[in-house]
Amino acid sequence: AQTVTQSQPEMSVQEAETVTLSCTYDTSESNYYLFWYKQPPSRQMILVIRQEAYKQQNATENRFSVNFQKAAKSFSLKISDSQLGDTAMYFCAFMNSNTGKLIFGQGTTLQVKP
Amino acid sequence: DGGITQSPKYLFRKEGQNVTLSCEQNLNHDAMYWYRQDPGQGLRLIYYSQIVNDFQKGDIAEGYSVSREKKESFPLTVTSAQKNPTAFYLCASSIPGLFSSYNEQFFGPGTRLTVL
Repeated sequence: AQTVTQSQPEMSVQEAETVTLSCTYDTSESNYYLFWYKQPPSRQMILVIRQEAYKQQNATENRFSVNFQKAAKSFSLKISDSQLGDTAMYFCAFMNSNTGKLIFGQGTTLQVKP
Repeated sequence: DGGITQSPKYLFRKEGQNVTLSCEQNLNHDAMYWYRQDPGQGLRLIYYSQIVNDFQKGDIAEGYSVSREKKESFPLTVTSAQKNPTAFYLCASSIPGLFSSYNEQFFGPGTRLTVL
């Protein structure tokens, strides 16, 4: 069975600085997808970034980028130039390519301080 | 505007009562999902449906039931058999159905269920 682990329950960062959130996963599949979702205080789940396992290039979306290490089964999220609006809970998620089912990590609460 | 709606936003239930949470989407998505979120935890899959009139159990299906009579609707019933139903419930949908290939899941705003 696949598992997703986020080892940092809480993190904080000063506005405009850079922060990295960690995620590791376990799977025997070779074809899968990885996601980072953001859940602000409104509790609406918002997709931040996604990565296809077959792609070697790390995904980027504006200030958000990932460091995908397939052999190490690691998928960290880097947020550059942190903004107050980035304050949220961040979830790493693994998608089974056959079923489309998402498996979530426990989440990391990120506080951006002014 | 296309999207996913969940109602009600807050729901209170007495012990021993069944209650149904609504989830509607107008995104023309084939697949729909129900997740449960407990405080400080990630989401856990309750049920999912990849096509109308078909659904499968997720990781924590006990005490829950669903139906998928229409593409747009995927209601979740929390039965009295669910031992600890107080939680935040999220519905999601995505494009792939039986011929699934990856695609992101879009989430509704959620329903907070409290058992009194």
